[in-house]
Amino acid sequence: EAGVAQSPRYKIIEKRQSVAFWCNPISGHATLYWYQQILGQGPKLLIQFQNNGVVDDSQLPKDRFSAERLKGVDSTLKIQPAKLEDSAVYLCASSLDHWSSAGETQYFGPGTRLLVL
Amino acid sequence: QQQVKQSPQSLIVQKGGISIINCAYENTAFDYFPWYQQFPGKGPALLIAIRPDVSEKKEGRFTISFNKSAKQFSLHIMDSQPGDSATYFCAASSIGNEKLTFGTGTRLTIIP
Repeated sequence: EAGVAQSPRYKIIEKRQSVAFWCNPISGHATLYWYQQILGQGPKLLIQFQNNGVVDDSQLPKDRFSAERLKGVDSTLKIQPAKLEDSAVYLCASSLDHWSSAGETQYFGPGTRLLVL
Repeated sequence: QQQVKQSPQSLIVQKGGISIINCAYENTAFDYFPWYQQFPGKGPALLIAIRPDVSEKKEGRFTISFNKSAKQFSLHIMDSQPGDSATYFCAASSIGNEKLTFGTGTRLTIIP
């Protein structure tokens, strides 16, 4: 089966510019996650969708970050305006369902590496 | 209380040796503990996971040891190979909230 697809793979922008990332989850996966991974740190959840509804966006900086998942499939994450500290890898992950039994495996895409100058 | 502390930050092990990475957590509501492996330029991939009702889980050369009373768990890689060189993350989540809290990662290098 095809994995989680993300684009672009790399993006360089100047501070105060806007940027958008796209994610296509594994077919049939209801839950989609966006993580931010700063160099040398573990991934940090930004937002979690169940189908096209938001389950958790408590760590999303809503003054500059936004995300949507139209029709419960693809998702986009936008940053506007970008700050230097937003330089990171943005990972998209998907899982089959919203908490089944012993923990649902999350499948990660390759990420988008963002550099803000 | 949501933190997962991971050590060491980096580890060098000789080929054929045992690699050991440790994690500790505070939140007693955590009940799912996966380990993820990440190669450069790739996203993390699930390696092995454990629930607290068992103290050990083994899959091939990879073993998780879990100590509920100490709130610690560790990954053991037996007969470490150069292909195991990667960054390893422990993580934790709880029932009803599958949000994963990740450790800071361990960069493992296996030398010939």
